Amino acid sequence: GQQLNQSPQSMFIQEGEDVSMNCTSSSIFNTWLWYKQDPGEGPVLLIALYKAGELTSNGRLTAQFGITRKDSFLNISASIPSDVGIYFCAGGTSGTYKYIFGTGTRLKVLA
Amino acid sequence: KAGVTQTPRYLIKTRGQQVTLSCSPISGHRSVSWYQQTPGQGLQFLFEYFSETQRNKGNFPGRFSGRQFSNSRSEMNVSTLELGDSALYLCASSYTGSTDTQYFGPGTRLTVL
Repeated sequence: GQQLNQSPQSMFIQEGEDVSMNCTSSSIFNTWLWYKQDPGEGPVLLIALYKAGELTSNGRLTAQFGITRKDSFLNISASIPSDVGIYFCAGGTSGTYKYIFGTGTRLKVLA
Repeated sequence: KAGVTQTPRYLIKTRGQQVTLSCSPISGHRSVSWYQQTPGQGLQFLFEYFSETQRNKGNFPGRFSGRQFSNSRSEMNVSTLELGDSALYLCASSYTGSTDTQYFGPGTRLTVL
């Protein structure tokens, strides 16, 4: 199935460090969504982006909609243990009525 | 406002059986999408419904089907279950389903033995 390229695939970081991850596609999207998923649970929406160049924050999280509309970035500042989980990006195109998801970034925080 | 609910949360079936999963969207949301999540394939789109009409379908065999009711609740059915159908099945809802923000339910974990 179709998936977006998301990197890094996984990362270990120290508590208090900043984290960056990104998602790239060969297709243009109108909307980018970022989710966090804990084991056995559904993804929880973190940030939604609707416009190229848009920069949006949600607490310690900041995400950007790439200018080319083919990529998006998520930054987490001052990571804490509860940031552990899998982060997914999702791109949506008008008229397709579906989102395509990234391969996920597994984040592990060392206290 | 209550979130997306899915029932049941866990299900164990044997090969050849069929299964029906249910999803109730957030109040006011008319679009419901279904996804299959497996470790190997990630999150894969199954289908999307809006006002009881399927508007898009992913690349899954015809054994996977769905429907939506007039109150926007949705069900998906998998017939003749195979071992490879073991997965977390996720439902997501949004207002109109185009490029609206989409909210997920907790999922139904299906195990096929």
